[in-house]
Amino acid sequence: DSGVTQTPKHLITATGQRVTLRCSPRSGDLSVYWYQQSLDQGLQFLIQYYNGEERAKGNILERFSAQQFPDLHSELNLSSLELGDSALYFCASSVDGVLYNEQFFGPGTRLTVL
Amino acid sequence: AQRVTQPEKLLSVFKGAPVELKCNYSYSGSPELFWYVQYSRQRLQLLLRHISRESIKGFTADLNKGETSFHLKKPFAQEEDSAMYYCALKLQGGSEKLVFGKGTKLTVNP
Repeated sequence: DSGVTQTPKHLITATGQRVTLRCSPRSGDLSVYWYQQSLDQGLQFLIQYYNGEERAKGNILERFSAQQFPDLHSELNLSSLELGDSALYFCASSVDGVLYNEQFFGPGTRLTVL
Repeated sequence: AQRVTQPEKLLSVFKGAPVELKCNYSYSGSPELFWYVQYSRQRLQLLLRHISRESIKGFTADLNKGETSFHLKKPFAQEEDSAMYYCALKLQGGSEKLVFGKGTKLTVNP
């Protein structure tokens, strides 16, 4: 599958814990985006990385951090987890630097905080 | 502040009927708008973007800057159109992040 991949598919953890979500972009895509989808807030942009550097930040909590590695995969780290962090976390990738380019989404990681 | 509003959480129509999914936006810059769709058990995917003025799977959407709207329309709905539809706004200024509406769940009944 040459599309965006995300691991794990599901994650169940307890409040106060820390988890890492992983995303591999499509081959050739330099940009990675992280989104959070919750029932009440909908799909919200968290952060974007482009070729290893942070490009834009959205509604990302200080307890959350991300990075993009030299091989362009990205990780989203969520710490001191709260019940309200339970959500679907999507990663998307795009070529970027191209007018009107499309973001391709991964299947998401469902995080449940108990 | 930039915002995308999809006023209908749920929309139910019969097969063959026209369908319109509403989207309004608030943005001071020049908007670039998209419709994304998520079919059951599939990932979110781009349906169409306003700049290309194309028709995909029979759907069209026209950007109306005066009414700040980008409604999605199809003259004859099909059962396979049942899905979640998200309107999204891309902001100017280097980043290509998307601001999404909360989505409309379309159900096309036989």
